[in-house]
Amino acid sequence: GIQVEQSPPDLILQEGANSTLRCNFSDSVNNLQWFHQNPWGQLINLFYIPSGTKQNGRLSATTVATERYSLLYISSSQTTDSGVYFCATGGSNYKLTFGKGTLLTVNP
Amino acid sequence: NAGVMQNPRHLVRRRGQEARLRCSPMKGHSHVYWYRQLPEEGLKFMVYLQKENIIDESGMPKERFSAEFPKEGPSILRIQQVVRGDSAAYFCASSPPSIYEQYFGPGTRLTVT
Repeated sequence: GIQVEQSPPDLILQEGANSTLRCNFSDSVNNLQWFHQNPWGQLINLFYIPSGTKQNGRLSATTVATERYSLLYISSSQTTDSGVYFCATGGSNYKLTFGKGTLLTVNP
Repeated sequence: NAGVMQNPRHLVRRRGQEARLRCSPMKGHSHVYWYRQLPEEGLKFMVYLQKENIIDESGMPKERFSAEFPKEGPSILRIQQVVRGDSAAYFCASSPPSIYEQYFGPGTRLTVT
């Protein structure tokens, strides 16, 4: 099956800093999603981005499908951005395979 | 449009009891997926269902676990004779037909004592 690797595994920032999270995948994809798991355990959909670039407020994402990676950018980070960020893809089907996540801690 | 709903949000069961987890997909979504998040294993696919059909259950444990999505009502994930190793967060997701993007519910946290 498809392999999904995320980096870095952990990231500590001061409030206001910017960050880039990376997701590498091992095969061509028809779907790729980014999620934020907040400290209460809820999975929040951030982006559905099998290719191209999208922006939503302080967050943006880019997927370069031909090179098999996706990036999530967080600008002007806030303490509420803390949590685990997951990348997930189903390759060419519907079964999402999740990476191990990036644990982000934003300090005031 | 309400999101994916799961209940209960927290469930405590003693070893040997049955656990029933319910998932109501978003309006207009006829595809339901269940995932499990174990503490040291991350999020894993369990089963994919459409109304009255199990499409793919390749991620389901062979015993004690079953899932259904009836014509009317929510999807149910059933775990019989629970063991401590079943303690995990169980997430349901839904999507419309022919759309890859999945929308996740808040999860049910199962604790087996």
